[in-house]
Amino acid sequence: GAGVSQSPSNKVTEKGKDVELRCDPISGHTALYWYRQSLGQGLEFLIYFQGNSAPDKSGLPSDRFSAERTGGSVSTLTIQRTQQEDSAVYLCASSLGGPTDTQYFGPGTRLTVL
Amino acid sequence: GDSVVQTEGQVLPSEGDSLIVNCSYETTQYPSLFWYVQYPGEGPQLHLKAMKANDKGRNKGFEAMYRKETTSFHLEKDSVQESDSAVYFCALIDTGRRALTFGSGTRLQVQP
Repeated sequence: GAGVSQSPSNKVTEKGKDVELRCDPISGHTALYWYRQSLGQGLEFLIYFQGNSAPDKSGLPSDRFSAERTGGSVSTLTIQRTQQEDSAVYLCASSLGGPTDTQYFGPGTRLTVL
Repeated sequence: GDSVVQTEGQVLPSEGDSLIVNCSYETTQYPSLFWYVQYPGEGPQLHLKAMKANDKGRNKGFEAMYRKETTSFHLEKDSVQESDSAVYFCALIDTGRRALTFGSGTRLQVQP
């Protein structure tokens, strides 16, 4: 079946601009996660959704970062006033929702802030 | 907070060599432990997992034993193949959480 998809695959933006990254989880998966992968920081958790609510936002690095999920499906991660340190690969994952259910990752969006 | 340490950034065995990739963890709770593998241009994918102490995860000839006494989850294989080349991440999920905490990753490059 179809896996997790993310768009765009690559995004180049100028410092100070806002960006939106999209994630389409596997159909039927109630849990959705955003992670960030960068050379300096490795793989870091950002936010977790169960349905449309986000019980764990502890990994969002600043208030410039926000995310929403609608209809228990698609999620959007928004970064406002982008900075060069936001350059990274943003990964989305989804799972069936249990505490240790396998998280299936998408291919990621590579964000470059000039 | 939780942490996962992988001491080797890169390992370069020859095909047919045995392999151990080290992973140690620190947490105050009772985590579940995972190895994820990542190929170029892709997101990480689950390689194997162990849910509690003394469990052994297995996949494609790889094994990892959940050792609570040494807080370790080392990845082992008797004979590596060129196709095993990838980046391997050790990770944990702590009790009551959903977020994966990852180690820094170990690049396995098997020499022909």
